[in-house]
Amino acid sequence: EIVMTQSPATLSVSPGERATLSCRASQSVSSNLAWYQQKPGQAPRLLIYGASTRATGIPARFSGSGSGTEFTLTISSLQSEDFAVYYCQQYNDWPRTFGQGTKVEIK
Amino acid sequence: QVQLVQSGAEVKKPGASVKVSCKASGYTFTSYAIYWVRQAPGQRLEWMGWINAGNGDTQNSQKFQGRVTITRDTSASTAYMELSSLISEDTAVYYCARPTPYTSSWYGPFDSWGQGTLVTVSS
Repeated sequence: EIVMTQSPATLSVSPGERATLSCRASQSVSSNLAWYQQKPGQAPRLLIYGASTRATGIPARFSGSGSGTEFTLTISSLQSEDFAVYYCQQYNDWPRTFGQGTKVEIK
Repeated sequence: QVQLVQSGAEVKKPGASVKVSCKASGYTFTSYAIYWVRQAPGQRLEWMGWINAGNGDTQNSQKFQGRVTITRDTSASTAYMELSSLISEDTAVYYCARPTPYTSSWYGPFDSWGQGTLVTVSS
């Protein structure tokens, strides 16, 4: 199975600053990579698919990049509502697998 | 709008089975897959399996082989996930999810999620 590894585990950022989250796949997933945001007690919310395409209604401050095994999610200017846990997921192969998450917390 | 509404929380004893439902609305049920994903406390999301709501074909994660059964009732636009031989490690929130139509309605990432069903396994 493809192992997805995210870094860092926790990211402390001040509002208005930029946040950069990383996701690495144990083998190539092409561009079949998604990012989700999850807040406590809520279901995940799709942010990015195809490694770089924003899902419907997602603000432009969220951007994704990468292909193959290395991917990045960038939040250009953190808003208060962006403090959450972010997961990457590959949908290139079975089983579908998720990273362990990066928690973005207020500095 | 697309909605997935799941059944309520369950408490089960070890060795028992649990069946969680996921009622879909706002789209043509048989034109999409329904996936099941679980999240144990403090853990990453874990894919369990999926069903083609059109023809009923299923595929399960090998981790749950023999323990998970996914079915659907097209007349009720509802999918079901049954997990048997429960152990304490099965305590988790179970989600159903639907792929986004912008990649593939069968295989893509998930843009619609149920609210989650907490299943607690305890003696």
